[in-house]
Amino acid sequence: QVQLVQSGAEVKKPGASVKVSCKASGYTLTHYSIHWVRQAPGQRLEWMGWINAGNGNTKYSQKFQGRLTITRDTFASTAYMELSSLRSEDTTIYYCARAENGDYVYLQHWGQGTLVTVSS
Amino acid sequence: DIVMTQSPDSLAVSLGERATINCKSSQSVLYNSDNKNYLAWYQQKPGQPPKLLVYWASTRESGVPDRFSGSGSGTDFTLTISSLQAEDVAVYYCQQYYSTPLTFGGGTKVEIK
Repeated sequence: QVQLVQSGAEVKKPGASVKVSCKASGYTLTHYSIHWVRQAPGQRLEWMGWINAGNGNTKYSQKFQGRLTITRDTFASTAYMELSSLRSEDTTIYYCARAENGDYVYLQHWGQGTLVTVSS
Repeated sequence: DIVMTQSPDSLAVSLGERATINCKSSQSVLYNSDNKNYLAWYQQKPGQPPKLLVYWASTRESGVPDRFSGSGSGTDFTLTISSLQAEDVAVYYCQQYYSTPLTFGGGTKVEIK
């Protein structure tokens, strides 16, 4: 069965970077895309961007342009989300999700989420 | 960006009764070339990630009970739980995938009355 297993919780200082991993199993990573979505407590889900895990092409929400980098390691069947210049508002849960390739997709399978806390 | 607005914010329904959740998009998410509505619904239980329930506005995901149904077109959509069960207590979100950034509604919390 399809599984996405994310790395554990992180605590970072303002201005630092965080890199969250998302390991895929039960399917071939390169046949689908991986999207990243975050959810602050009591807030709506917020889409950040996606990667075509086959060719490595990425697309980011304008809100995160310049701060967000999504990559993948096909040999490790793992996708990564790196967010830099962290601020307190980035304290939230980050999810990876699998979808078909393309911009206009629904998110079929989700990771368990990774809590990132930004605090001095 | 397409803004998704859900109503109500929360509702309490008796077991076995119908629950209706509404979602309105700020512009149509019906793509004329394929006549599909680019609208999905998710269920999120406490401490869990969202779970896909419905896509293309009315297609149930595999394994989702048939008491869940989606309807609507253009800008107005509805998720209906025909007979509420205890395990349906959750927050429900709509999402448009007509354009990027993909955007979600604010969520509707469903509880047992």
